[in-house]
Amino acid sequence: GQQLNQSPQSMFIQEGEDVSMNCTSSSIFNTWLWYKQDPGEGPVLLIALYKAGELTSNGRLTAQFGITRKDSFLNISASIPSDVGIYFCAGQLASGTYKYIFGTGTRLKVLA
Amino acid sequence: DSGVTQTPKHLITATGQRVTLRCSPRSGDLSVYWYQQSLDQGLQFLIQYYNGEERAKGNILERFSAQQFPDLHSELNLSSLELGDSALYFCASSVGPDALYEQYFGPGTRLTVT
Repeated sequence: GQQLNQSPQSMFIQEGEDVSMNCTSSSIFNTWLWYKQDPGEGPVLLIALYKAGELTSNGRLTAQFGITRKDSFLNISASIPSDVGIYFCAGQLASGTYKYIFGTGTRLKVLA
Repeated sequence: DSGVTQTPKHLITATGQRVTLRCSPRSGDLSVYWYQQSLDQGLQFLIQYYNGEERAKGNILERFSAQQFPDLHSELNLSSLELGDSALYFCASSVGPDALYEQYFGPGTRLTVT
């Protein structure tokens, strides 16, 4: 099935560091969602983006809807151990399909 | 807690069998989406229902089927199970019919086919 390119695939960082990850595609999207998934749990919605260029924050998390509408970015500032998990982006194609395409995930590990 | 419930949490069954997974959406949500997540993989969209009607289809096998009932809960039926069907199955719900609305995920059902 279709999936968005998400990078990096995984990352180890020190507690207190900032983290950046992104999702890219050759297709244009109308909506971007960012989720965090803990092992064995369902994804939890972090941030939703609806307009190109939109920048939205949720606590230490900030996400942006890329100007070209083909990408999105998620930044986590001052990471803490509980930020560990898998982060997924999801985008809704501008072609009018009623489904989301999910990124391959970024596995984040925070070293205390 | 997203407000989406799924049962059972775990299911172990043998190849060739049939199982039913159940999902109750958040109060007020009319859309239910089903996803499959294999080990260390992303989420694959299977099917969406909106207010009782099938709205969109993804990579759903012919051996799988789903429905949404008048009370808006949904069931995903998996038949002639194969080892490769072992995965986490998530449902998500949203208020509206399309992807302009955020989806909230349930805790998932872990299916193990032996």
